[in-house]
Amino acid sequence: GAVVSQHPSRVICKSGTSVKIECRSLDFQATTMFWYRQFPKQSLMLMATSNEGSKATYEQGVEKDKFLINHASLTLSTLTVTSAHPEDSSFYICSAAGTINEQFFGPGTRLTVL
Amino acid sequence: SQQGEEDPQALSIQEGENATMNCSYKTSINNLQWYRQNSGRGLVHLILIRSNEREKHSGRLRVTLDTSKKSSSLLITASRAADTASYFCATAETSGSRLTFGEGTQLTVNP
Repeated sequence: GAVVSQHPSRVICKSGTSVKIECRSLDFQATTMFWYRQFPKQSLMLMATSNEGSKATYEQGVEKDKFLINHASLTLSTLTVTSAHPEDSSFYICSAAGTINEQFFGPGTRLTVL
Repeated sequence: SQQGEEDPQALSIQEGENATMNCSYKTSINNLQWYRQNSGRGLVHLILIRSNEREKHSGRLRVTLDTSKKSSSLLITASRAADTASYFCATAETSGSRLTFGEGTQLTVNP
């Protein structure tokens, strides 16, 4: 299957700082990428849908000014958590849509905000 | 929002036994997918079943879909300790659209 990478895999930051997470499709072009958040022992919650060259579509309850998404190319989408707080600590997972019906998931980024 | 409910939430079996996980959803769908997640890792796609399909097999996996009951099941036969993971169903309302995940089943296979 296609490969999606995320960087960094793990990040620890102080409260109030901003953190950028990258999601790359390594061997295919993804017009659409999705960002999910997963709290411990819970399921994945879709945060936003990112389309190359246009503004992201955010799910209800997700603050677009706090979670900035940029999809600048067909192989790269970034999620920036601005002014991070401890409650933002979570596992962030991206996926990239390749062929119809199938999404390929990245390995996830563990964010810990102190 | 999460539309999928999975049961059981946790399942513990012995190696060699079969494991069955169920998933229910609320809206009409184009397809339903099952994923596996090892602790702290990303998701691995297992199998996709379309709304016009009733059953699908892949190796030791068997998935059924009953659109009249809005439910699906995942059967893992002859389980192995390496099958220990969380299993999630996810539905897509249209082809290639966003996925809505179920709550997941934590499967533990004891050696």
